[in-house]
Amino acid sequence: GAGVSQSPRYKVAKRGQDVALRCDPISGHVSLFWYQQALGQGPEFLTYFQNEAQLDKSGLPSDRFFAERPEGSVSTLKIQRTQQEDSAVYLCASSYSSGIAVSQETQYFGPGTRLLVL
Amino acid sequence: QQPVQSPQAVILREGEDAVINCSSSKALYSVHWYRQKHGEAPVFLMILLKGGEQKGHDKISASFNEKKQQSSLYLTASQLSYSGTYFCGTEEHNFNKFYFGSGTKLNVKP
Repeated sequence: GAGVSQSPRYKVAKRGQDVALRCDPISGHVSLFWYQQALGQGPEFLTYFQNEAQLDKSGLPSDRFFAERPEGSVSTLKIQRTQQEDSAVYLCASSYSSGIAVSQETQYFGPGTRLLVL
Repeated sequence: QQPVQSPQAVILREGEDAVINCSSSKALYSVHWYRQKHGEAPVFLMILLKGGEQKGHDKISASFNEKKQQSSLYLTASQLSYSGTYFCGTEEHNFNKFYFGSGTKLNVKP
């Protein structure tokens, strides 16, 4: 079956521009995560959804970052008034989360969106 | 909160072994291991949950020490396909949030 898909794969934005990054999780996956990965670093947690509920957004770096998953499937990460420090790869991951602890579930990652803010 | 990974980089010849370590100052709820090739998404390798646990498949295995503060990934008889960056992801409590280490870059040469 299809894996996690993300679009666009690459985005170049001018500083101050708003961007929207899309994630299509694996069908039926309840949990969805967003991560930010800077060059040469590990992914850093941004936010977590269980179905449409955003259960944790403590990793969002500022109020310019906003994520939603209105129908419990597709998710969008929006960055307003982009800054150069927002340049990174944004990874989305989903897991089935059958009711047991999420940490026991495999996270399936999408290919990421590489954002470059000029 | 972010686990410490070591070494930062390893260069191997095909057939050689490697060990990658991941440690935390606090007891961990779980440890996940992933491999990421350049420009690609991280790919899941395994999860460890119990102190003293060891698991693996093929020639890649991992352990989780009794105190649940350290995990090691063992790569034996390395193959060219093992090249990539290995990350451990850890969770201190069951809060559904993961902290990834900074990665260990593994380069297997012929």
